[in-house]
Amino acid sequence: AQRVTQPEKLLSVFKGAPVELKCNYSYSGSPELFWYVQYSRQRLQLLLRHISRESIKGFTADLNKGETSFHLKKPFAQEEDSAMYYCAGKGGSEKLVFGKGTKLTVNP
Amino acid sequence: DGGITQSPKYLFRKEGQNVTLSCEQNLNHDAMYWYRQDPGQGLRLIYYSQIVNDFQKGDIAEGYSVSREKKESFPLTVTSAQKNPTAFYLCATRLTDANTGELFFGEGSRLTVL
Repeated sequence: AQRVTQPEKLLSVFKGAPVELKCNYSYSGSPELFWYVQYSRQRLQLLLRHISRESIKGFTADLNKGETSFHLKKPFAQEEDSAMYYCAGKGGSEKLVFGKGTKLTVNP
Repeated sequence: DGGITQSPKYLFRKEGQNVTLSCEQNLNHDAMYWYRQDPGQGLRLIYYSQIVNDFQKGDIAEGYSVSREKKESFPLTVTSAQKNPTAFYLCATRLTDANTGELFFGEGSRLTVL
């Protein structure tokens, strides 16, 4: 079954510290993987996708097929990064499966 | 703003009543989705539709129904058969021609069953 797992419900770091939000997936074949973010009182929105290999707001995520992981990283967290983060995966169908989310709090 | 409008934003319902949540989009996207968001549960897919007059069940379709009579509209009915309907409901769309998985989300509707 297609599954996306985010092991941490809550993650708290101090401003300027590195942050890593974990995501593991269980898919057959080559899935597309995404990170979505939901800031307070805003819509859920795409942060980045693995096929683009891009850096958005200082965040990067590398697909590790050996470990079936797609962890989200940022070297220096900022207070405005505080939000709910969801990892999501899409296989061959139209279904996009989301993880349960990690709430990131960046403390001053 | 946003191109996806969900209404109402807040809705209260008595047990045993059906309620319909509206989702309208002007993005000309083919695919539309309904997710349910619960604390600690993430987003779970209820129904999705890739084209007008066609839709498929997601992972938690029981107690829900949808229709897709127009490209712009994908209403969700929460029936009295849904055992735990109090939740935050999110509608999303996707441009299938773009061949990406990116979903665009509405602002959501919060349903409370009294």
